Amino acid sequence: QVTLRESGPALVKPTQTLTLTCTFSGFSLSTSGMCVSWIRQPPGKALEWLARIDWDDDKYYSTSLKTRLTISKDTSKNQVVLTMTNMDPVDTATYYCARTTLYVPGFDYWGQGTLVTVSS
Amino acid sequence: EIVMTQSPATLSVSPGESATLSCRASQSVSNNLAWYQQKPGQAPRLLIYGASTRATGIPARFSGSGSGTEFTLTISSLQSEDFAVYYCQQYNKWPPMTFGPGTKVDI
Repeated sequence: QVTLRESGPALVKPTQTLTLTCTFSGFSLSTSGMCVSWIRQPPGKALEWLARIDWDDDKYYSTSLKTRLTISKDTSKNQVVLTMTNMDPVDTATYYCARTTLYVPGFDYWGQGTLVTVSS
Repeated sequence: EIVMTQSPATLSVSPGESATLSCRASQSVSNNLAWYQQKPGQAPRLLIYGASTRATGIPARFSGSGSGTEFTLTISSLQSEDFAVYYCQQYNKWPPMTFGPGTKVDI
């Protein structure tokens, strides 16, 4: 059974760095073809893909946010970490982690999401 | 960046009727397109990938078609649990992977 769960602060101040952790089970990021992405959704708005890390440690970033994002993995802990620097109120959103595989290229399993509010 | 558009923004249908949702890409994405369903307060759920392949556990009343720049999600005989927002997403040319703005299907 595949599950993912996001964790991190609910509130961050402008200019601070956000660190989110995705803890997953039911698959291993050391298995060929496995990938985990971060996706966010501002309240009442559409989904926005942020970053992806693959089983072979390849990393991909949103072109518009690339300078602010870092994605990493700890295979032994079954965790993927996303950091986003210089947070702004427009970054207020629900942040999801989701799995992709090379065999089912859509996001087939999602976490429940974590709402991050950026406010002073 | 490939821009995805969806129409209509809102679709009002009655239970038992069918619904046709459209998704358009600003350039060809081949068949590298997925559809998701999202209910209030929930994460999205993968319905379709490869433009027409139903994901595991998705009922046959959901069907996808299209290729290139024009895609359609059809929901036949709408059930009460199908009222939700539907998003399309391309994964042909990325980064970034891009989503459409969504179509809300309501009663």
